[in-house]
Amino acid sequence: QSVLTQPPSVSAAPGQKVTISCSGGSFNIENNYVSWYQQLPGTAPKLLIYDNNKRPSGIPDRFSGSKSGTSATLGITGLQTGDEADYYCGTWDGSLSAGIFGGGTKLTVL
Amino acid sequence: EVQLVQSGAEVKKPGESLRISCKGSGYSFTNYWITWVRQMPGKGLEWMGRNDPSDSYSNYSPSFQGHVTISADKSISTAYLQWSSLKASDTAIYYCARLYGGDSYYFDYWGQGTLVTVSS
Repeated sequence: QSVLTQPPSVSAAPGQKVTISCSGGSFNIENNYVSWYQQLPGTAPKLLIYDNNKRPSGIPDRFSGSKSGTSATLGITGLQTGDEADYYCGTWDGSLSAGIFGGGTKLTVL
Repeated sequence: EVQLVQSGAEVKKPGESLRISCKGSGYSFTNYWITWVRQMPGKGLEWMGRNDPSDSYSNYSPSFQGHVTISADKSISTAYLQWSSLKASDTAIYYCARLYGGDSYYFDYWGQGTLVTVSS
């Protein structure tokens, strides 16, 4: 059971918008930066969002991140079939002195 | 270009030892920590621990402390993950990733993954 809670799955139609939540606590999300990763089937994870809301070079602005209190959210607009993947949030946990990930959310683009 | 290249797939028997590797290139290897992440079949990502190649200091997730050893050889820009006695439950894909730390905390580059299969 992950310290960070994500919905197991979300779905939406092509062109639509979806949000994925990541819920934690005061030892992790509230006091540390959150990052998001995309894992396409059969591939290594890829950094999508860092420092809560920043996009690495090459990541389209269809992807966005936000944080409020003990929760973070990944938003994806203009959904494409190529966005079908597993998405993970991650941060540092001060009480565990360890990095942590959410359980992952499978995005289906119907 | 920053790259992390991992060693190839391994098939081992329970009780055997194993060391897998992760070679960094395209950046100053000692300037960034290396993290190892486990992904069991059909499951999510699990943070195992991290190593500072500049001084070989490592720290581990409580879930993995005592079960694995993380190290690095800065002279050849290579990080390692090793087991002294494998179990069937160690069957997984293992990823190394470069940790961008300080006030931030994220993994900006990932290796391609090493599949470890432990079966009698």
